[in-house]
Amino acid sequence: AQTVTQSQPEMSVQEAETVTLSCTYDTSESDYYLFWYKQPPSRQMILVIRQEAYKQQNATENRFSVNFQKAAKSFSLKISDSQLGDAAMYFCAYMSITGTYKYIFGTGTRLKVLA
Amino acid sequence: EPEVTQTPSHQVTQMGQEVILRCVPISNHLYFYWYRQILGQKVEFLVSFYNNEISEKSEIFDDQFSVERPDGSNFTLKIRSTKLEDSAMYFCASSEAGFTTQYFGPGTRLTVL
Repeated sequence: AQTVTQSQPEMSVQEAETVTLSCTYDTSESDYYLFWYKQPPSRQMILVIRQEAYKQQNATENRFSVNFQKAAKSFSLKISDSQLGDAAMYFCAYMSITGTYKYIFGTGTRLKVLA
Repeated sequence: EPEVTQTPSHQVTQMGQEVILRCVPISNHLYFYWYRQILGQKVEFLVSFYNNEISEKSEIFDDQFSVERPDGSNFTLKIRSTKLEDSAMYFCASSEAGFTTQYFGPGTRLTVL
C-alpha cells in the first residue's frame, strides 16, 4: 500500500523569504500523480501544484515549485518570496492512476509566515 | 470559479442518531469522493463514486455509511447510527475525470456527543 510522509508538522518563514516543505512517499507503481494542496484556516483545500510522475521536469506555478526526485520518492514544495497569505496547512497527496483515483494524504505541514 | 459546497458547516448529534452530510459537486464533474479528518490526524479516504455506484470504499466505510446522488446535483453521505469516533471533519471532493484534479469542499465538522 502507498504511504505519504510529511515529517515537518510546522514550519516558519519570514515574509519575502523562501521555504521548502518536505514530502516523501512509498509506492511500487511507476506512474502516478503527486499534489500539494493548501488549506487556509477554516477554508477548503485548494490545489497548489500537481506533478505527473512520468514527467521529469519539475512543475512550477508562479512562486511555487517542486523538487520531484522519483528515485528517492521525494516531492518537496518550494515557496519563494513568501507572503502573509501563504500561511496555511499544506498537504502532500499521492494518487495512483490504477484503481479509483483516491488520494492518499500526508499529515500536513502548518506554515507560519512572519511579518 | 465553480466550487464544491457542503452543508451544514457544523453538525452536532447524539450518539446513535442518523446524520446526512450534503455536498454539491461542481456541475460537470463525474467522480465524487468523501474523505474525513479526525482532529490532529491525516485526511483519510472513505469512498469514491462514479456512474451512480461506489467505485471503491475504505475499511472505515462500513455498513453504517452510505452514499447517494439523489437528484443529479447533490451527493450525500449518510451515517446511520453515529458513534463517538465518527467525530471528524468530512470533506467532499469531485473531479471531471478520474485522473484529473480533485476539488474539495470546505468540509462539515461532525461532533458526536
